[in-house]
Amino acid sequence: DAGVTQSPTHLIKTRGQHVTLRCSPISGHKSVSWYQQVLGQGPQFIFQYYEKEERGRGNFPDRFSARQFPNYSSELNVNALLLGDSALYLCASSQDSGANVLTFGAGSRLTVL
Amino acid sequence: QQQVKQSPQSLIVQKGGISIINCAYENTAFDYFPWYQQFPGKGPALLIAIRPDVSEKKEGRFTISFNKSAKQFSLHIMDSQPGDSATYFCAASIGTSGSARQLTFGSGTQLTVLP
Repeated sequence: DAGVTQSPTHLIKTRGQHVTLRCSPISGHKSVSWYQQVLGQGPQFIFQYYEKEERGRGNFPDRFSARQFPNYSSELNVNALLLGDSALYLCASSQDSGANVLTFGAGSRLTVL
Repeated sequence: QQQVKQSPQSLIVQKGGISIINCAYENTAFDYFPWYQQFPGKGPALLIAIRPDVSEKKEGRFTISFNKSAKQFSLHIMDSQPGDSATYFCAASIGTSGSARQLTFGSGTQLTVLP
């Protein structure tokens, strides 16, 4: 069974640029969550989507946005990149929005220069 | 109040020893406490989880001890093996009907098990 797949695995951007990260959940999972993991820290919640609707938002600026598509895949967009946005961006899927068990992908490593 | 504090930051144990990682929380509304294991280059993987109505949960060599009155919980790894070398994160979340179950993670413990 395919797990949570994320792309790209690594990318380098410069300050002020825009980035789009993609996530495909486990088949049958309808909820996708995004987390930011800065080096040496625990993941921090950014968004959760369920059935294409935003169900939760963490303490992140409006430069961060996301959406979920009819096939339950998701995109995370970050505008006007800052050096501090350099992190591992993790996508997790679950069967529904209230599910306890989250399955994480390997992440997209973003470096902002 | 949403913070989960984890200690130690790093831990070195000998093969066969017991690894103990501790976490503390403030928000008494948390109702689910998972532990995740993360290897380099991988995403976190659920290891074991507990609800606050249970004081202990054991799965193989991994045990969670939960102290509701002290608002603390810990992970014990018995007979630690070199393959257990990874970063461990405690987490906590609140279940709210119709809303996202957001995980609040601790800062992580890097465990090294020496052969």
